[in-house]
Amino acid sequence: QKEVEQNSGPLSVPEGAIASLNCTYSDRGSQSFFWYRQYSGKSPELIMFIYSNGDKEDGRFTAQLNKASQYVSLLIRDSQPSDSATYLCAVMDSSASKIIFGSGTRLSIRP
Amino acid sequence: GAGVSQSPSNKVTEKGKDVELRCDPISGHTALYWYRQRLGQGLEFLIYFQGNSAPDKSGLPSDRFSAERTGESVSTLTIQRTQQEDSAVYLCASSLTRGSETQYFGPGTRLLVL
Repeated sequence: QKEVEQNSGPLSVPEGAIASLNCTYSDRGSQSFFWYRQYSGKSPELIMFIYSNGDKEDGRFTAQLNKASQYVSLLIRDSQPSDSATYLCAVMDSSASKIIFGSGTRLSIRP
Repeated sequence: GAGVSQSPSNKVTEKGKDVELRCDPISGHTALYWYRQRLGQGLEFLIYFQGNSAPDKSGLPSDRFSAERTGESVSTLTIQRTQQEDSAVYLCASSLTRGSETQYFGPGTRLLVL
């Protein structure tokens, strides 16, 4: 079992709809969770981080964390074509020494 | 201030040659990470430096890979006797401290081994 798992996609969502991206992790002791966006040929950039169970909202983005289920998700409201990218879920391991990345979900927003 | 910088941006080499990749972290950032990203794949952790502590080398794929960092500044990743499967983008990231701090990525070095 991979440490951080994501559906590779592609996930196709119509413009204006909500895009929902999911991630599961295996290390129950993990404390910090991150979502990065990576455009083709570019480096990852941080969108959201979350430490506590529940929801965290920032503009059109909402991160959701459920530690009991070892599940973290990212919702993108009012999806725009510029949101088309690969979204990487990342988890800091329980020793807080390194961040493990999932393989990413490719999101495509269709006009 | 300046972000994370990496050099060279692109490197083409012949199989069997050694290559050295450089990363300049954000000034004041004590934590530095190296990742490898193959085409269409996620990020593969290679090595992590935190201040003057012993680095976490658990992600290095073979003994052909090594990395050094001088204090809290520049880091170099060296790949000896390169193989074609080493072709990838090598990304460096830095963060203020270890733990829950977020990482800032450099632009990467695109390595192609012929």
